[in-house]
Amino acid sequence: GAGVSQSPRYKVAKRGQDVALRCDPISGHVSLFWYQQALGQGPEFLTYFQNEAQLDKSGLPSDRFFAERPEGSVSTLKIQRTQQEDSAVYLCASSSGTESNQPQHFGDGTRLSIL
Amino acid sequence: AQKITQTQPGMFVQEKEAVTLDCTYDTSDPSYGLFWYKQPSSGEMIFLIYQGSYDQQNATEGRYSLNFQKARKSANLVISASQLGDSAMYFCAMREPNGNTGKLIFGQGTTLQVKP
Repeated sequence: GAGVSQSPRYKVAKRGQDVALRCDPISGHVSLFWYQQALGQGPEFLTYFQNEAQLDKSGLPSDRFFAERPEGSVSTLKIQRTQQEDSAVYLCASSSGTESNQPQHFGDGTRLSIL
Repeated sequence: AQKITQTQPGMFVQEKEAVTLDCTYDTSDPSYGLFWYKQPSSGEMIFLIYQGSYDQQNATEGRYSLNFQKARKSANLVISASQLGDSAMYFCAMREPNGNTGKLIFGQGTTLQVKP
């Protein structure tokens, strides 16, 4: 597609359930990022992939968060045993490379609500 | 550690006037990139403009320009001839310098409302 695609757009889950969020980056983009955005705040970095390699996962808040990009294209962010503080918008972004002047292009995000 | 500060939680501007959104940053690295993004209420994050730390001239993109003052570590966004569609949240971000990830560090954002 022309842009970054994320699904689902909205997700409601009960506390303790597992959720999976999908990101389909711009075709050919090497770099893929996940961010978490709390209401009224700026996005915060979660993890980074270069192709299929997860090079940085320093932003993942706990071991309940897991991300993968097995074929270097589509990525999935999984949250196990969800808690209320996981409620946020999860943004995926991709860029064509790692040069500092290359902008990251974002998807519309997945709004996750944990009841 | 790198940090981005946006001190204006909310701003109002009259349609067709210019507005400046403030951004200051903190880094000890000489090489870095600065970005501005627009986030309408629908939620998508739209890239507006980029400024590199070594760029000699201020960046411009249509009605957007960046007032880059390196010594003061500020990178203010100027929007000229405001339109109603400019009403949104605006984020300043810095790309982590010399890192393997190139992750973005965002400020808290400024909400801009354009009045007709």
